[in-house]
Amino acid sequence: KNEVEQSPQNLTAQEGEFITINCSYSVGISALHWLQQHPGGGIVSLFMLSSGKKKHGRLIATINIQEKHSSLHITASHPRDSAVYICAVGGGSNYKLTFGKGTLLTVNP
Amino acid sequence: KAGVTQTPRYLIKTRGQQVTLSCSPISGHRSVSWYQQTPGQGLQFLFEYFSETQRNKGNFPGRFSGRQFSNSRSEMNVSTLELGDSALYLCASNNLGGGNTEAFFGQGTRLTVV
Repeated sequence: KNEVEQSPQNLTAQEGEFITINCSYSVGISALHWLQQHPGGGIVSLFMLSSGKKKHGRLIATINIQEKHSSLHITASHPRDSAVYICAVGGGSNYKLTFGKGTLLTVNP
Repeated sequence: KAGVTQTPRYLIKTRGQQVTLSCSPISGHRSVSWYQQTPGQGLQFLFEYFSETQRNKGNFPGRFSGRQFSNSRSEMNVSTLELGDSALYLCASNNLGGGNTEAFFGQGTRLTVV
């Protein structure tokens, strides 16, 4: 069993729909990261969470430390949100991240 | 402020050769970490450097090595290349050197071994 599990693996939505991507982890962590990767490879860090909830524009990330679970929500999805979303967890004072396999999101106009 | 810069962006090498990839972090960032991304294994941690010291290493063979210079720029080297080393290599920098800080990723170097 992977230490970081994401679901779903693939997600297709219509523009305007509310999107949820889930991440469960089995190890102790000090922080959880949500990353976005567009075709071509570049990765953008969306959120870094250690508790509670964060919001940037249409994106919301939550984490439940007790349940070892995090969700990434996208409200009013748009075709430009199409990308791979990756959950990563880290522990301690260094940057050894463990990654989920990613969720491929396609938003159709 | 310039972002994380990786060079080269694309590279084609032959089996058995060696390769050196470069990563220039955001100015002021002292931590640089490296990752390998392949279709089969996804993203995997290679190693992390902070103030010229390797602080942690992933589960990769000794053919993979790295270093960090006094200006925080980092290089990684892969010797005796194998076909399976074909991957996107990403580096990330952060300014406090801890896992609880946001990481800024470069665009990656896509290495193809033929």
